[in-house]
Amino acid sequence: GNSVTQMEGPVTLSEEAFLTINCTYTATGYPSLFWYVQYPGEGLQLLLKATKADDKGSNKGFEATYRKETTSFHLEKGSVQVSDSAVYFCALGRTGSARQLTFGSGTQLTVLP
Amino acid sequence: EAEVAQSPRYKITEKSQAVAFWCDPISGHATLYWYRQILGQGPELLVQFQDESVVDDSQLPKDRFSAERLKGVDSTLKIQPAELGDSAMYLCASSRGGEGLEQFFGPGTRLTVL
Repeated sequence: GNSVTQMEGPVTLSEEAFLTINCTYTATGYPSLFWYVQYPGEGLQLLLKATKADDKGSNKGFEATYRKETTSFHLEKGSVQVSDSAVYFCALGRTGSARQLTFGSGTQLTVLP
Repeated sequence: EAEVAQSPRYKITEKSQAVAFWCDPISGHATLYWYRQILGQGPELLVQFQDESVVDDSQLPKDRFSAERLKGVDSTLKIQPAELGDSAMYLCASSRGGEGLEQFFGPGTRLTVL
């Protein structure tokens, strides 16, 4: 079945540091890949997505590239801000009659000023 | 900007009581999802609707949980009786359907069972 594995957290960085959160997946076929972000007390917000191999999703300075050969979709940001503190979820989606998302366990990011 | 609405935001109940959560998806979104998110984990799908029909409820504990979307718009998730292990965040999401997979999430209902 489909599964997503994220690097364990929590991750604590200083402001302006480089961020990488690893995500690997197992899936049949060709899934779409997503990063969602969850701020304290809120629901999930879509951060970026990629629908096919070698696609790069980007938003708000965050980037992730769909790597089919390594089954990975690592999230990166060159310079994090305090406001980026949140929980980040990697997810894969499958098409077909039941369009569903499978989420990883999430990575807590704290950015210190 | 259209949003998914959920109520209540917080619910505290005692075990063996009944609780109900409400969700109003983004207008025009045919697909509606209910997720349970245990603290420190990712969301897990409980039930998926396409219009008023259940597409997948394989992970819904049907002995105590029920969900409906009678007119294919808003939806209610019920737990009766609630157990201590049901304490979690209950998230509702909706999507346009078709080939698009992007889901839009509501703020969630935080349930605490005492």
